Amino acid sequence: QVQLVQSGAEVKKPGASVKVSCKASGYTFSDYYLHWVRQAPGQGLEWMGWISPNIGGTKYGQKFQDRVTMTRDTSISTAYMELSSLRSDDTAVYYCARLSNPYAFDIWGQGTMVTVSP
Amino acid sequence: DIQMTQSPSSLSASVGDRVSITCRANQSINTYLNWYQQKPRKAPKLLIYVASSLQSGVPSRFSGSGSGTDFTLTISSLQPEDFATYYCQQSYNTVFSFGPGTKVEIK
Repeated sequence: QVQLVQSGAEVKKPGASVKVSCKASGYTFSDYYLHWVRQAPGQGLEWMGWISPNIGGTKYGQKFQDRVTMTRDTSISTAYMELSSLRSDDTAVYYCARLSNPYAFDIWGQGTMVTVSP
Repeated sequence: DIQMTQSPSSLSASVGDRVSITCRANQSINTYLNWYQQKPRKAPKLLIYVASSLQSGVPSRFSGSGSGTDFTLTISSLQPEDFATYYCQQSYNTVFSFGPGTKVEIK
């Protein structure tokens, strides 16, 4: 079935980087943009950016522009989101989501908890 | 960037009630507006896309309307499994954004 499976939970120190993976299966990876969305504990959903798996093009939200890098490896149908210079307020569940046509997130990963703590 | 607001931020309702949630954009987004349901510790689930189209498998008691800047999600007869948080999301341009959410609680 169509699914996105993310990597496991991470605990990082302030100032470190984290790289979360999102493996697609059940569909042609390069046919759909992948977006990243995060959710801090008890808070709402926050859009971070997207990657085009076909050509590798990216667009990042202004808040994350200086610290986030989204990449992909088409040979293994996997997208990555790396966030650097981590702070305590980056503690959140990070989701990848597939953008369907027309322009809605129809498939979501299970989420990856990233905890930033000294 | 396009800012999204939702009202109310929370509401209490009973099983069988008709419930409406409003979402507003600070500029026209045509009908590029989607609605999601999220339950605790779960990923969001797509309910409605392009303002009024029902996602496959979603019960028909959910409906959406609106265009431009003002949108509404309606649940015609609230069921026990509908108690959750609902988010609107715009996909008008290359920079997406979500509303702050509306929590639907049991009265």
